[in-house]
Amino acid sequence: AQSVTQLGSHVSVSEGALVLLRCNYSSSVPPYLFWYVQYPNQGLQLLLKYTSAATLVKGINGFEAEFKKSETSFHLTKPSAHMSDAAEYFCAVSEGYGGATNKLIFGSGTLLAVQP
Amino acid sequence: DAGVIQSPRHEVTEMGQEVTLRCKPISGHNSLFWYRQTMMRGLELLIYFNNNVPIDDSGMPEDRFSAKMPNASFSTLKIQPSEPRDSAVYFCASSRAGGAAGELFFGEGSRLTVL
Repeated sequence: AQSVTQLGSHVSVSEGALVLLRCNYSSSVPPYLFWYVQYPNQGLQLLLKYTSAATLVKGINGFEAEFKKSETSFHLTKPSAHMSDAAEYFCAVSEGYGGATNKLIFGSGTLLAVQP
Repeated sequence: DAGVIQSPRHEVTEMGQEVTLRCKPISGHNSLFWYRQTMMRGLELLIYFNNNVPIDDSGMPEDRFSAKMPNASFSTLKIQPSEPRDSAVYFCASSRAGGAAGELFFGEGSRLTVL
């Protein structure tokens, strides 16, 4: 069964600093991996996804993530944090081979705070 | 294009009452998902449908929970009788089956409080 683990339930950075949110996955088949963002009182929206093409994936709002098979990781980064990036971020893996289903298994989330 | 529409946005009810949450997926999407979000358990998939047919309901907590999708544009999640531990935010999401892998579109959620 596939799963994801997000390290750090809370991350705080200064405005302009590097954002690094960690996600490790477990999967017996090549995984499809995703990052979603949730702003307060809203639903989740897709930031970016890895579906076995390029290992460095660029998403919206300047975020990117790199798939590293050797480390079973899919960490999310942004070079310079903005106040508007404050939100909760979820890593997810698609169940089944090659994203055969759209059933997503989510991590526990990382709440990002951005200090002025 | 309208997004996923959920109602009600907030519901406060007393233990033992029936609760019905509603969802209208994005037109043209043929997969629909119900998730529950709590502080303790995070995001849990309750059930999902493909082409109005329930595919996996292994996440439904118990028989008090039921979900239906009578047509492509409407789904309900019912809790009867409700209990305080059902308090959570319930999200509906839709996607195109076989389309952009893993791209789920979420509604804004229904926040349920059971007293």
